[in-house]
Amino acid sequence: DAGITQSPRHKVTETGTPVTLRCHQTENHRYMYWYRQDPGHGLRLIHYSYGVKDTDKGEVSDGYSVSRSKTEDFLLTLESATSSQTSVYFCAISESKGLGSEKLLFGSGTQLSVL
Amino acid sequence: GESVGLHLPTLSVQEGDNSIINCAYSNSASDYFIWYKQESGKGPQFIIDIRSNMDKRQGQRVTVLLNKTVKHLSLQIAATQPGDSAVYFCAENAGGTSYGKLTFGQGTILTVHP
Repeated sequence: DAGITQSPRHKVTETGTPVTLRCHQTENHRYMYWYRQDPGHGLRLIHYSYGVKDTDKGEVSDGYSVSRSKTEDFLLTLESATSSQTSVYFCAISESKGLGSEKLLFGSGTQLSVL
Repeated sequence: GESVGLHLPTLSVQEGDNSIINCAYSNSASDYFIWYKQESGKGPQFIIDIRSNMDKRQGQRVTVLLNKTVKHLSLQIAATQPGDSAVYFCAENAGGTSYGKLTFGQGTILTVHP
């Protein structure tokens, strides 16, 4: 999966607890993205990063925060998980290492269940 | 906001047949379109893409057709194989500096029978 590692692959947590998902890439790509996938909605953009410490919101950013302290890692945090955040989360990188590119390469996903 | 949609949520074909998966889009500003294949338990895998200045693009066993007049996109798979069974997503990008801000359709389930 294009040198992208997501961890954990599966997570079960309780409502109100904080959760952090990690995306690690080994190929020094500048642009990284977090998407969520839900039945009937396809994939929707949560947040993205265009460089270290440079992030911005996507379509469904409420309830999520991100951080990127180094090029290879992009973290997604649910400060207080809710059942509506039960989903499959995908990290993606832009194919181009420097300038942005529309073509994205996706990781294997994290299945998150909030009970 | 504008979004990409699919005409058919499921498609069943026999091995060896050609498959056509359709997608409608509504954002006239979109200038880049992409198809992904997703197998169960895996992330989306790139198949083929096309820019709005093109009508057709071919890859290995796959062809993407773009009709900007009716805002329609299709993916053709030649000689479909059981390994092609998956969910197929189309996605669009509105252009400009919106790198990676893809808007996805809901997906079409393709089932190939031996």
